[in-house]
Formats: sequence, C-alpha cells, structure tokens
Amino acid sequence: GESVGLHLPTLSVQEGDNSIINCAYSNSASDYFIWYKQESGKGPQFIIDIRSNMDKRQGQRVTVLLNKTVKHLSLQIAATQPGDSAVYFCADNTSGTYKYIFGTGTRLKVLA
Amino acid sequence: KAGVTQTPRYLIKTRGQQVTLSCSPISGHRSVSWYQQTPGQGLQFLFEYFSETQRNKGNFPGRFSGRQFSNSRSEMNVSTLELGDSALYLCASSLHNEQFFGPGTRLTVL
Repeated sequence: GESVGLHLPTLSVQEGDNSIINCAYSNSASDYFIWYKQESGKGPQFIIDIRSNMDKRQGQRVTVLLNKTVKHLSLQIAATQPGDSAVYFCADNTSGTYKYIFGTGTRLKVLA
Repeated sequence: KAGVTQTPRYLIKTRGQQVTLSCSPISGHRSVSWYQQTPGQGLQFLFEYFSETQRNKGNFPGRFSGRQFSNSRSEMNVSTLELGDSALYLCASSLHNEQFFGPGTRLTVL
C-alpha cells in the first residue's frame, strides 16, 4: 500500500551492510512494541516484538533494542538484502487499551 | 493457517455514498482492529472489537462505525463519504498481543 507520504524519512544502505531504523514513542506507559515491514501493495507484516521488561530481543537477522528511559526503539537488520526494501513502522501498545500507536515510518532502500 | 482476509480489495465511491468493508480474522483470533492509512496521517487507529464488543475507539467522526459477528468476522462502515476518506483501510487480528494485518481495502472517493 501507499503507506507513506513525501515526507517519510529514508534510509539508504548498501546491500550487505547493517541497517538501523529508529523510532521514538511518547507514552511512558507503553509496555509492548512491534516492528512491522510494509511493502508496496501489501499490509504491514509483523517482524519482531518486545515487551517492556526486556531491552533487547533477537530474531532471524533482526534485533530490536528498547530504551525506556528515552522512549526509543530501534530495529537492526543484519546483512541487508534487496528484499528488505520496504517501509518500516514501529507500534506501541499499553496493556488494557487494546490499541496500537504507530510511528510515521521509515523507508529503507537497499542499494545494489 | 490462512491469514487475515479483507474484501473488497479495491473500491471506488462518490461523495455522499456509504461503504461497508469486511474483514475475516485468522482462525481462532477473537480481536479485530481497524486502521486507516493515508500518506499524510500514516496509520490511524479506528476501533477494536473482541467478542462482538467494541473495546476501544480512535478519534474519528461518528460516520465511521464497525461491528463484529459471533464468528469474529468484522465489518466497518463509513457513511456520507468525503474526499478525505480516501485511504487504505487495514484490518488486523490478534490472539494475544501480536497483531497480524490483512492486505487492506483501497477506498477511493471521487
């Protein structure tokens, strides 16, 4: 889907390099966080999640870091591939609210 | 296991009309959420349903409504469409905390 507008931050990385995508959230009560990947014409795809009682979680080629002190979340992608080109969103949730707040998104471009 | 499905995928309406969008969650998922996605506003929460009850609602006018059926399928309705309602409408289902999205319905209001 056309998920982002002209003002979307863009990160360009060389194929094979590591990517770091950052996200700030505003609600100090947020206790669960998800990173999503959205490719053109598709809905957001779940990548990895982390709870507030953790500060790091690793998946396949991806790592999420959470810094609750400064309300900051990052997604690290190792050995970035052309298929990683997409828009990445973070989303946060507070238990009991049944809603997620999404960041504005970052467009990742992988250069061959 | 089949993913979240949404119908229709594309829709063109004119101002003043109304529209109903449908979402079938992943089997076993009882929570369904709806979001509006636009280039200018990003992903905005519309509402969330669980066991046919709306548990939370975003900051949208009353023209936006939804419901959930006993089989967890959900519909959202937009009445008196405005040009600004043109967007990608996304449905997500969850069992616990993880939310899984469908492909969306692209609504264009002319």
